[in-house]
Amino acid sequence: GENVEQHPSTLSVQEGDSAVIKCTYSDSASNYFPWYKQELGKRPQLIIDIRSNVGEKKDQRIAVTLNKTAKHFSLHITETQPEDSAVYFCAARYSGGGADGLTFGKGTHLIIQP
Amino acid sequence: EAGVTQFPSHSVIEKGQTVTLRCDPISGHDNLYWYRRVMGKEIKFLLHFVKESKQDESGMPNNRFLAERTGGTYSTLKVQPAELEDSGVYFCASSYGTSQFFGPGTRLTVL
Repeated sequence: GENVEQHPSTLSVQEGDSAVIKCTYSDSASNYFPWYKQELGKRPQLIIDIRSNVGEKKDQRIAVTLNKTAKHFSLHITETQPEDSAVYFCAARYSGGGADGLTFGKGTHLIIQP
Repeated sequence: EAGVTQFPSHSVIEKGQTVTLRCDPISGHDNLYWYRRVMGKEIKFLLHFVKESKQDESGMPNNRFLAERTGGTYSTLKVQPAELEDSGVYFCASSYGTSQFFGPGTRLTVL
């Protein structure tokens, strides 16, 4: 089955700096890669996703890049703000044969230092 | 539009007891998923419903877990009998297309 590795487990950056979280996946058939943000006590919130036919996607201060050859994808947050502090999860999914369950990484605790 | 809701938010039970978790998906979402996060580990897929049918239950840990979605609306996940290792946060998610939207989770503690 699919296996997703996520690094780092904790990331501390100064407010205004950029943050990068990296994930690798094992199944080359995976074709959908979402990122979720979970603030303390709240639900995981989908913040951005990318499909395997696209190399990069941006949404304001957030971007995701995908390297299919290397089987890794990354979340980039620019101009970080205090409200970006949260746990971020990457995930991968093979959308075929009806199996739509996501395989998650272990999460990255992002801390924005004022 | 209301999001995915789950009940209860917390449940504390003793080993050997039964607990039933409920999930109400976003209205119109045919796909409903159950996930679980055990302390310190990743969120793991349990199963996937399409309407009332189980599409994929490959993540269900054992036969102490029973999920139902009668009528294709809300879903229940019953754990019977509960064991200590069942403690964790149980998430439900729903989707119409590709994007899955998560509920707030039920924190289950088995003592």
